[in-house]
Amino acid sequence: EAQVTQNPRYLITVTGKKLTVTCSQNMNHEYMSWYRQDPGLGLRQIYYSMNVEVTDKGDVPEGYKVSRKEKRNFPLILESPSPNQTSLYFCASSFSRGRQPQHFGDGTRLSIL
Amino acid sequence: GNSVTQMEGPVTLSEEAFLTINCTYTATGYPSLFWYVQYPGEGLQLLLKATKADDKGSNKGFEATYRKETTSFHLEKGSVQVSDSAVYFCALSRSGGGADGLTFGKGTHLIIQP
Repeated sequence: EAQVTQNPRYLITVTGKKLTVTCSQNMNHEYMSWYRQDPGLGLRQIYYSMNVEVTDKGDVPEGYKVSRKEKRNFPLILESPSPNQTSLYFCASSFSRGRQPQHFGDGTRLSIL
Repeated sequence: GNSVTQMEGPVTLSEEAFLTINCTYTATGYPSLFWYVQYPGEGLQLLLKATKADDKGSNKGFEATYRKETTSFHLEKGSVQVSDSAVYFCALSRSGGGADGLTFGKGTHLIIQP
């Protein structure tokens, strides 16, 4: 089954404790992206990657890091999380470029206390 | 810059009513346009898309037409069901100028009552 898998689905943690949200896709997609969803703001792009070792900033990259060492994986790293990063996060992938329809994971709900 | 404006709701309708969710956009170039749907506790699923002016996307009884002259992509359905209750997002693709990905509207929460 074609899917984008995120882990964990839920996480409650404290300010400053480094965390990683993993994202993996099994569709051999070149393009992957991270979004955060906040009430009244919709979804906003954090980072994207056009291919292995190619990443670029989206609209709200501050406080986040990403890496793309393998085609299937695109982890989101919060090195020193803060309460304003409490949000619902989605990973997405598509065959190539953002113009293509994107497949979304089920989301990761992060609470930073 | 790129932006998408849609009614936020909640929009509450009775079963079998006609649905319209308005979406207008501002964009440079010629974006593709999408409607995504989010059911409770799930990720976004592509509902339909249109890639150029006058294209009509359709799926599951929903349809939307890419209107370049009015910069709109309104979502319509002739007869809604309780199972259509969800949050609907209008989005446009963007590429070039150092950006790539989707710009989303804020989402419209649709509630269908039996």
